[in-house]
Amino acid sequence: AQTVTQSQPEMSVQEAETVTLSCTYDTSESDYYLFWYKQPPSRQMILVIRQEAYKQQNATENRFSVNFQKAAKSFSLKISDSQLGDAAMYFCAYRREYGNKLVFGAGTILRVKS
Amino acid sequence: GAVVSQHPSRVICKSGTSVKIECRSLDFQATTMFWYRQFPKKSLMLMATSNEGSKATYEQGVEKDKFLINHASLTLSTLTVTSAHPEDSSFYICSAKHPGMHTEAFFGQGTRLTVV
Repeated sequence: AQTVTQSQPEMSVQEAETVTLSCTYDTSESDYYLFWYKQPPSRQMILVIRQEAYKQQNATENRFSVNFQKAAKSFSLKISDSQLGDAAMYFCAYRREYGNKLVFGAGTILRVKS
Repeated sequence: GAVVSQHPSRVICKSGTSVKIECRSLDFQATTMFWYRQFPKKSLMLMATSNEGSKATYEQGVEKDKFLINHASLTLSTLTVTSAHPEDSSFYICSAKHPGMHTEAFFGQGTRLTVV
């Protein structure tokens, strides 16, 4: 079974600084998708960024980028120029290519200090 | 983008009663929807996969008679918590798979259930 591990329960970052959230996963599949979701205090799940495993290029979305290391099964999220609105719980998630289920990590609470 | 609406956002019910939570895909048809449970500051735990026109697939350890799922149309799935107890109090979230966007799942805003 696939597992997703987020080893940082909480992280803090100063406004305008950069922070990296870690995620590792375990799978025997070669094709799959990885996601980072943000859950702010409203509890609404918001997709931050998506990475297809067959793509070597790291995904980027404005201030958000990932470092995808397929061999190491690592998928970290970098948030640049952190803003107060980035404060939330962040979940790393895995999905098989032709599967339906998302497997979530335990989450990382990100605090942004002004 | 695709919109998933969940109702109600908050509900309080008495022990022993049943409560129904609705999950609707507003601008697309969803043959597959998912129901999650989330405890405070914890991850989402998948409870079941809801398939339109067929029985839901429950995850191991989830009582299917306790958490009834009905996916009667392509835009609506319901989760009914039967004979609710205080330990059923939790945050319940649904998500729907968009047929034209196979990589993403779209989430409802969640329902906070409190059983008193």
